[in-house]
Amino acid sequence: DQQVKQNSPSLSVQEGRISILNCDYTNSMFDYFLWYKKYPAEGPTFLISISSIKDKNEDGRFTVFLNKSAKHLSLHIVPSQPGDSAVYFCAARDQLYGQNFVFGPGTRLSVLP
Amino acid sequence: EADIYQTPRYLVIGTGKKITLECSQTMGHDKMYWYQQDPGMELHLIHYSYGVNSTEKGDLSSESTVSRIRTEHFPLTLESARPSHTSQYLCASSDAQAFAPLHFGNGTRLTVT
Repeated sequence: DQQVKQNSPSLSVQEGRISILNCDYTNSMFDYFLWYKKYPAEGPTFLISISSIKDKNEDGRFTVFLNKSAKHLSLHIVPSQPGDSAVYFCAARDQLYGQNFVFGPGTRLSVLP
Repeated sequence: EADIYQTPRYLVIGTGKKITLECSQTMGHDKMYWYQQDPGMELHLIHYSYGVNSTEKGDLSSESTVSRIRTEHFPLTLESARPSHTSQYLCASSDAQAFAPLHFGNGTRLTVT
């Protein structure tokens, strides 16, 4: 049973436009949410995070939105750049089992020049 | 920038061999983790450690074992490799703060023939 879902396996966006990556979760005990970017043959790189007491966190071109009532998380990248092309993973931590970060299956973002 | 190193990056080995995947971090993090990822799938936690002489199994059942004799070192061992162990193995560490992200190494891609 997948607790963290990323229903879009892939997404293509034009350079300069906004990329929106979505993530849904089922566990109401998640208290910390993260986004990672992964290039081929490399490990995931941490991008941005948000705790459950907030609904928005911004860092440069990256903004994460959290809608707890809908159990939905999104990552906005604006403006999108070709170097943003990668696989993006959504992750969440269970506050009862703080050692375990649960990951989604990832969304492959392609930013077209 | 996170400093966590995994060796080897790639390993092809025959069935029945004993292997050890190395992971070291220079950040002084107490928490360390091993994740397993198959292509196109989510990351699954197989082992974690909260400090020296502390090791626990994760959600995904694994025939591997780990040790934590030094803070900076968290090796993973397979006593007898099998083709079902073919996967990517990702090591991560995190600070002890309440909301601290995981920092990943570049992974070891293991192929067992």
